[in-house]
Order: sequence, then structure tokens, then C-alpha cells
Amino acid sequence: DTAVSQTPKYLVTQMGNDKSIKCEQNLGHDTMYWYKQDSKKFLKIMFSYNNKELIINETVPNRFSPKSPDKAHLNLHINSLELGDSAVYFCASSLAGDTGELFFGEGSRLTVL
Amino acid sequence: DAKTTQPPSMDCAEGRAANLPCNHSTISGNEYVYWYRQIHSQGPQYIIHGLKNNETNEMASLIITEDRKSSTLILPHATLRDTAVYYCIVRVVADFNKFYFGSGTKLNVKP
Repeated sequence: DTAVSQTPKYLVTQMGNDKSIKCEQNLGHDTMYWYKQDSKKFLKIMFSYNNKELIINETVPNRFSPKSPDKAHLNLHINSLELGDSAVYFCASSLAGDTGELFFGEGSRLTVL
Repeated sequence: DAKTTQPPSMDCAEGRAANLPCNHSTISGNEYVYWYRQIHSQGPQYIIHGLKNNETNEMASLIITEDRKSSTLILPHATLRDTAVYYCIVRVVADFNKFYFGSGTKLNVKP
């Protein structure tokens, strides 16, 4: 059973399009995250939701809109895609609190042409 | 943003211990040190974490200095499959328990 699953794994699209990446976790965690890993391999946090409520929103363009329909799902919608959005996007989840480890999905590689 | 510094790369012979250092001189008293690794472009994988005491699990050992300003991850018998980027992370309690990833250490295990 996959603990944190993301779809799609690969996404190739044109500039200006709108796309979504879905994430689901079956660990019973109450906190979920989106991270972006660029070509230099830096992993940067983008958003965090706790029990469907947004708690972290880093300086991310408002073209990126996360949506959490329930605490097991956190989707990422991106409007008007730009070349610089090309990256690997990782979903993760954890228990709330200061000792819970992060569980990551396998990543979604987005290529904007 | 990262509160840790690590060497960019290290080599280790297969079967030998790999000792990966990390500096976290601004760590606060209630902040944990975590280690993750990333093999190729897979999702980062949890290895171990600790607060003050040394910790050991089936994957690795974590040695934290008494002043908590640095730590060392030890892989006791490195294998070729341990080749990966290893991230040392301080979880920032005062900032919504955020995990800030630094640039990591690329460990190359050689036959």
C-alpha cells in the first residue's frame, strides 16, 4: 500500500495552460505539504495544511492554489503555467506536533514547454 | 532559510562506515535534528531524528554534540545502494514546525 501517492507522475504541458496535481495519504496524518524541487535540487516548502486548514503559505505566486477537500487529500492547481514552474513537486504528510516525521510521495515531474 | 550546513559531497568505500557531518549552530533547545536521504529523484526518505541524546535505528546512528551545535549521521556499513543525497534538517518549532531542507551532502559509495 502506498502511503503518500501523487498523480500524475509526469506532466508535460505548454506555457499558459492550467494543470493540477493530486495527492492522497492513507496514513491518517492530519498535516499535508507541498514541496518544490528545482533543477538545482533545492527542496522548498510551498504550502502546508492541517485538518484542511492552510497553515503555511510561503512566498508562492498566487497562480498556485492548493485545495484540501479532506485531511487525506491535498491537491495543487497551477494557473497560467510558466517555464520557471518546471520542477518536481513533492507531496508529504505528517502528524501534527514537533516530532512527527515527514512521509513523502514519489514526486510529480512537471515540464513546461 | 536552511538552518544547517553540510559538505556538498563525500566519498565512502563500500563496507566502511560513512560519517556525514552537519552544523546547526543556531538550533534552539526544543528543535529536533532530522536526517533524510534522496536517491536519484525519488521522494526523500526518513532516516532518523533526535533532540539531545544519541539515537540508533536499523538504518543509522545519530550522534549529537553536547552543545547541540552539530551532529553526525553514521551509516555503519555503507553499500552501493546508500549512494544518495543526505539532508540534515532542523525542524523549526517557532515556524509551524517547518522542515527546512538545505543543499545536502551527496554521498558516493564506491566499490
